[in-house]
Amino acid sequence: EPEVTQTPSHQVTQMGQEVILRCVPISNHLYFYWYRQILGQKVEFLVSFYNNEISEKSEIFDDQFSVERPDGSNFTLKIRSTKLEDSAMYFCASSEGPLSYEQYFGPGTRLTVT
Amino acid sequence: AQTVTQSQPEMSVQEAETVTLSCTYDTSESDYYLFWYKQPPSRQMILVIRQEAYKQQNATENRFSVNFQKAAKSFSLKISDSQLGDAAMYFCAYRRFQGAQKLVFGQGTRLTINP
Repeated sequence: EPEVTQTPSHQVTQMGQEVILRCVPISNHLYFYWYRQILGQKVEFLVSFYNNEISEKSEIFDDQFSVERPDGSNFTLKIRSTKLEDSAMYFCASSEGPLSYEQYFGPGTRLTVT
Repeated sequence: AQTVTQSQPEMSVQEAETVTLSCTYDTSESDYYLFWYKQPPSRQMILVIRQEAYKQQNATENRFSVNFQKAAKSFSLKISDSQLGDAAMYFCAYRRFQGAQKLVFGQGTRLTINP
């Protein structure tokens, strides 16, 4: 069964460093998302991406964040200068299209900023 | 803005018994989707069940069923014949019917199954 994959599973970085989190969505899906979950808190939407551009973003997704689909398979989230409060689990998700109700989630990347 | 509230941070149930998890939401829209996602210790989010707001019939998936009360903006999940593998965090989520695709999640309910 096709699935969303994410790498790495755990990333440790120092405050101020840049990190890139990678996701491979399901191959025929057209909509891509990033969510984050700070430990013990609810899952929060960051950004959605369609047709090579951002379709929606939350207030969390400020200038320090960017997303890219550099090729036909990968979908990346970059944090330019990490802060301690960026420590969280980051989930990538994908869905088939605008009428598709189900978003398929990847296993997540745990980001620890020290 | 839409909000989702889960008022039970933790619930526990005896194996083989039935448990109901509560969820309320707030929206001004008439058409939308509601979901229950399961997050086991492995942390991956798994869709358990969905409900389209325009459908009056409550959704069911094997041992999982919902009680959707549109006027009350309530969407509870009932798990029958609870199994040890049901132990997880359960998140209620809302999505608009058209337009923005983002999921709005509740705070989650941690379900423990007692053998």
